[in-house]
Amino acid sequence: EIVLTQSPGTLSLSPGERATLSCRASQSVSSSYLAWYQQKPGQAPRLLIYGAASRATGIPDRFSGSGSGTDFTLTISGLEPEDSAVYYCHHYGSLYTFGQGTKLEI
Amino acid sequence: QVQLVESGGGVVQPGRSLRLSCAASGFTFNNYYMHWVRQAPGKGLEWVAVISYDGGNKYYADSVKGRFTISRDNSKNTLFLQMSSLRAEDTAIYYCARDLSTHFDWWGQGTLVTVSS
Repeated sequence: EIVLTQSPGTLSLSPGERATLSCRASQSVSSSYLAWYQQKPGQAPRLLIYGAASRATGIPDRFSGSGSGTDFTLTISGLEPEDSAVYYCHHYGSLYTFGQGTKLEI
Repeated sequence: QVQLVESGGGVVQPGRSLRLSCAASGFTFNNYYMHWVRQAPGKGLEWVAVISYDGGNKYYADSVKGRFTISRDNSKNTLFLQMSSLRAEDTAIYYCARDLSTHFDWWGQGTLVTVSS
C-alpha cells in the first residue's frame, strides 16, 4: 500500500508570496497518477493538477505541479486570499490513496 | 455541465442501514467508472469504493468491505452506496466522484451521514 505524506501540515503566508507544498510517496509512483485537489471549508474537493503537472480546466497558471518518483510539489505563486484552503495530493492506484492534507492560510 | 448530486444522508443508529444516491447529469454516465469518497468531521479524504462502467467490477476499502455495497443504474444515471452495520466511525460526508482514468475530475457536494444512538 502506498502512503502519501504531505508537508507542512499548516502553512501561513502573506498575499503575493509563493507557497510550496510537498507530497512524498512511500514508494515510487507514476507521475501520470498523481493529482492535487483544493478543498475550501464547506465545499467539495476541486481538481487542480493531474498527471503531476497538468492544470485542470479553469485553474489559474499561478498553480503549478512538478515532481516524479516519490517527491511531488504543488507551487502556488502570487498568493491570493481566496487560495486559503486545504490541499490534498492523491495517487490513483489500487487503493486511490490521499495524503493527509496541507492547510494553507493566507 | 457536469453535475453530481448526492442525497440520502441523515442520522442513523449504530448497526442500522442507509442508502446513498448520486444523481449524475451533463455527461454520458455509463462511460465512466464512479467512486465514493468520504471525509470524517475535521479529517482528510478516504476512498470508499469504485464501480466500473457496467457495474461488473467493484472494489472497496478494507474499512467498509463486507458492509457497504456500491451499485449503479445506468438507465437512471444514478450511483448508489448501500451501507449496513453502520458504526460511529462511518460518520462522514460522503462524496461521489467521477473517474477519468488517472484522477477524479468532478465531485458532488456531498451528503452527511451521522451514526449515533
